[in-house]
Amino acid sequence: DAKTTQPPSMDCAEGRAANLPCNHSTISGNEYVYWYRQIHSQGPQYIIHGLKNNETNEMASLIITEDRKSSTLILPHATLRDTAVYYCIVRVAHNAGKSTFGDGTTLTVKP
Amino acid sequence: DAGITQSPRHKVTETGTPVTLRCHQTENHRYMYWYRQDPGHGLRLIHYSYGVKDTDKGEVSDGYSVSRSKTEDFLLTLESATSSQTSVYFCAISESIGLQSSRVGYTFGSGTRLTVV
Repeated sequence: DAKTTQPPSMDCAEGRAANLPCNHSTISGNEYVYWYRQIHSQGPQYIIHGLKNNETNEMASLIITEDRKSSTLILPHATLRDTAVYYCIVRVAHNAGKSTFGDGTTLTVKP
Repeated sequence: DAGITQSPRHKVTETGTPVTLRCHQTENHRYMYWYRQDPGHGLRLIHYSYGVKDTDKGEVSDGYSVSRSKTEDFLLTLESATSSQTSVYFCAISESIGLQSSRVGYTFGSGTRLTVV
């Protein structure tokens, strides 16, 4: 599975959009991009995923570049409860998908 | 998550003793994983399983063994615990992408905090 690169930390003002980048320049055609977040010491929780097209759900939007070498997770109206570590991973379909989680991005939402 | 439970939640053990952590799922997912997380770092894969009695090593498997005798249970054993194995251990489950149940990719347990003194 391809590895990802994320900035170690970011700040965002409450109510503003948080844009979290992820680089996955070695991604293969059959690898999906997944985003998770981890609050305090809880287990990571799923946010969103995509293959080629941009995706949106009730939590966030995922923008994947046309060459698929990078993506951006967008939290449209960040709240204090969005303060967490955000992980971007890539995962191959139809197998164990034993993905590597990097150190993620620590997002701090400030009042 | 209700479909995956880890036990114990907390454990303190002495150096040199064997320790077994249990992961139990009710989702009937094929794949199960053990990760460890050290302070300020991401998750590192220890071992994973792709079916009953089918397991393989991850990136940090030294000092750990696993067993999966039933679909629902995945055990992680530290044969002789060391202080460097003090960590938070997370179990995860998943299915192949493409199946409806795999939408979220991985589902993680709440973690086991292990301290080796």
